[in-house]
Amino acid sequence: AQKVTQAQTEISVVEKEDVTLDCVYETRDTTYYLFWYKQPPSGELVFLIRRNSFDEQNEISGRYSWNFQKSTSSFNFTITASQVVDSAVYFCALISNSGYALNFGKGTSLLVTP
Amino acid sequence: ETGVTQSPTHLIKTRGQQVTLRCSSQSGHNTVSWYQQALGQGPQFIFQYYREEENGRGNFPPRFSGLQFPNYSSELNVNALELDDSALYLCASSYPDRGDSAFFGQGTRLTVV
Repeated sequence: AQKVTQAQTEISVVEKEDVTLDCVYETRDTTYYLFWYKQPPSGELVFLIRRNSFDEQNEISGRYSWNFQKSTSSFNFTITASQVVDSAVYFCALISNSGYALNFGKGTSLLVTP
Repeated sequence: ETGVTQSPTHLIKTRGQQVTLRCSSQSGHNTVSWYQQALGQGPQFIFQYYREEENGRGNFPPRFSGLQFPNYSSELNVNALELDDSALYLCASSYPDRGDSAFFGQGTRLTVV
């Protein structure tokens, strides 16, 4: 069984604050892939990052960074100096080599106010 | 933009009716997956098509069915609509390697009344 938990339902920050979105996953497979997607009000899921289970290097892309820790089964996402345009629902997802489907968490709704 | 397009964008149907949703995959992608996203929830996997064959299926009843065409576009059909079928339906295209990133369309918002 695979499961993704995003414990934070809603987060509200003021512009320029840093914010971290948590993601904890469960899988029995040794080969798996983790993803983050952004869903703005328009509804489209926008791909942000993919990480495979053998690559624990953290990644930074502009104001976005990701921290993957297999020891704690976590794949957290940090936005530095948040902006109003970052307001959206963010989903963490998992797919393993034994499955066909992306397993999504319930999402974290991020609101960035001016 | 991902290159994945879905139609229509919004739809209202009556309980008991049938509906067909359409998806054009991104160029080069031969795998299409469909997801249902209820309000306030994460997307749930319905099924996946690869080379015109159903490749995997989630926990959805048989009244949810699909097709994939030689150009890799796809349809999702839902028969005997129920009120709980009201949701955002998302189509994703990818290569068949599970590690490849799936790119989503903008979705079809279905309302069943």
